[in-house]
Amino acid sequence: EAGVTQFPSHSVIEKGQTVTLRCDPISGHDNLYWYRRVMGKEIKFLLHFVKESKQDESGMPNNRFLAERTGGTYSTLKVQPAELEDSGVYFCASSADWRSYNEQFFGPGTRLTVL
Amino acid sequence: AQKVTQAQTEISVVEKEDVTLDCVYETRDTTYYLFWYKQPPSGELVFLIRRNSFDEQNEISGRYSWNFQKSTSSFNFTITASQVVDSAVYFCALSGPYNNNDMRFGAGTRLTVKP
Repeated sequence: EAGVTQFPSHSVIEKGQTVTLRCDPISGHDNLYWYRRVMGKEIKFLLHFVKESKQDESGMPNNRFLAERTGGTYSTLKVQPAELEDSGVYFCASSADWRSYNEQFFGPGTRLTVL
Repeated sequence: AQKVTQAQTEISVVEKEDVTLDCVYETRDTTYYLFWYKQPPSGELVFLIRRNSFDEQNEISGRYSWNFQKSTSSFNFTITASQVVDSAVYFCALSGPYNNNDMRFGAGTRLTVKP
């Protein structure tokens, strides 16, 4: 069974440009999460989808970030316009259940570098 | 507020040495879940263990063992007879009693095992 996949693995863009990250969760997982790790710091929660609905987007840093999950399958995270401080590794995770004790399966991450 | 502290930023050991990765957490919840994830060079976060707050039994899985002590709010991870393949970044995480989108990660400890 395929795990969580993310595309691209690495993106280098200039400040002011737009970038779209994609996440394909494990098939059948209704819950999809986005996280970000900046400059070797802790991994921080961005938002949580249950199917196509945003359950919690309290971690989204500002309105330059837009996440979608049309059809409840894959998700995209768009950064527009990108700023230098957006550089980091963006992880996607999925789980079959939203409850605390359920394991989240993580993808390999997308490393975003904003110059 | 929930917080996870991994004070060791980087650890370097020689193969076959034992190594302990520290994790200290803060929470006001009486029910919570603790996790350890491994991030190998390939990038994805690999789930290692989950422990709920009511189960203080230590766990051993092969060369891996975990010591959960509520009295000191610690959930330390020990690798016995380390191997080069253990080289990775290890993250400790804490989740509250209800849903796992409030998961808090530590900053990670980079372990390098030299041959």
